[in-house]
Amino acid sequence: DPKIIQKPKYLVAVTGSEKILICEQYLGHNAMYWYRQSAKKPLEFMFSYSYQKLMDNQTASSRFQPQSSKKNHLDLQITALKPDDSATYFCASSQESQANTEVFFGKGTRLTVV
Amino acid sequence: GDSVTQTEGQVALSEEDFLTIHCNYSASGYPTLFWYVQYPGEGPQLLFRASRDKEKGSSRGFEATYDKGTTSFHLRKASVQESDSAVYYCALSPDSNYQLIWGSGTKLIIKP
Repeated sequence: DPKIIQKPKYLVAVTGSEKILICEQYLGHNAMYWYRQSAKKPLEFMFSYSYQKLMDNQTASSRFQPQSSKKNHLDLQITALKPDDSATYFCASSQESQANTEVFFGKGTRLTVV
Repeated sequence: GDSVTQTEGQVALSEEDFLTIHCNYSASGYPTLFWYVQYPGEGPQLLFRASRDKEKGSSRGFEATYDKGTTSFHLRKASVQESDSAVYYCALSPDSNYQLIWGSGTKLIIKP
């Protein structure tokens, strides 16, 4: 059974619209992350949360907003979508947000903006 | 800043060939070094890691040795199989924080 659930698996959106990517983890982890993968940048760190608090934000645009309603949830809201936002978005988690901790990834949400 | 440089693009081998994917890093102190593997349609998953000089990580026949002198963590496997086809990422976690810094990924193609 997948321990990190991402929904939806595929998403097509119109330019200018808003979408929310869902992520739930059932590993009992305290840290959660969002990564983006595209042809331009193979794997790009976006956000990290620890105990539901934002620890690091490497995303330049405020159009990307993580939302943590529960400890094991970290959704990603994307507003004013652009074609350049097309990518696969991976949610990930780790036991703690420490340097040598193994990070577990979900299967990703593939977003296409038309 | 901290960075990881690995073999660019893709590597094409035949079954039972020897594999080397190069990984060099730039970071202060003793970062933790990782190899992750990503199969089609999946997220990356940890292959193994190493945290100190001369430490060898290994899993599923793959291995790499942490070398602080040459700032390297090259991935090797003596005999590749078709099931090893995937993208391999070298990554580091600086000893001062938790963020993973990723290499560009190397796609391994095993020719039938």
